[in-house]
Amino acid sequence: DSGVTQTPKHLITATGQRVTLRCSPRSGDLSVYWYQQSLDQGLQFLIQYYNGEERAKGNILERFSAQQFPDLHSELNLSSLELGDSALYFCASSVGVDMETQYFGPGTRLLVL
Amino acid sequence: GQSLEQPSEVTAVEGAIVQINCTYQTSGFYGLSWYQQHDGGAPTFLSYNALDGLEETGRFSSFLSRSDSYGYLLLQELQMKDSASYFCAVRATGTYKYIFGTGTRLKVLA
Repeated sequence: DSGVTQTPKHLITATGQRVTLRCSPRSGDLSVYWYQQSLDQGLQFLIQYYNGEERAKGNILERFSAQQFPDLHSELNLSSLELGDSALYFCASSVGVDMETQYFGPGTRLLVL
Repeated sequence: GQSLEQPSEVTAVEGAIVQINCTYQTSGFYGLSWYQQHDGGAPTFLSYNALDGLEETGRFSSFLSRSDSYGYLLLQELQMKDSASYFCAVRATGTYKYIFGTGTRLKVLA
């Protein structure tokens, strides 16, 4: 158990819909990262927040957005969902802004039908 | 562009030593990390090389050579539980983006 929690564990929805994934970092961690992993694919970095501010942005689609709240939990919003958005979405956290050790949550498995 | 290439699959027997390579094309990065991911599980951190050379952590060692654009993860005394996917990763300078390698599936045979 990494100490990072993600909800929900599974999510099934239809194309065109909008969903929100939630992540709570480890106690004391200020950075939150979001990743997408499609079936049998590697990890694609989406975005990083540090202490409420956006720190780095990867290949995140315009239909996707994220934020980190004052209590440091983070939400990833996915809208106008497409079949290709079906994937495992991981949240990770780290102590500092540039720490190389990231602790991953169990992931949210999203299925878009 | 920036990419990290790894062999797709490696097979070895229990007790053996295996090396998983990571070759990269990136303009600049802060260091090379390695993560392990079991099927259906989350990635877990294994090792990090900020500087060139060898880092040892128990049965796992990791190596980086910036001049050769190359790194590797060395697993010794292989155990069945080491069967998993292994990813190398870097954080790019300037953009601070994290880039993960294509991943290597390690199969350990009895």
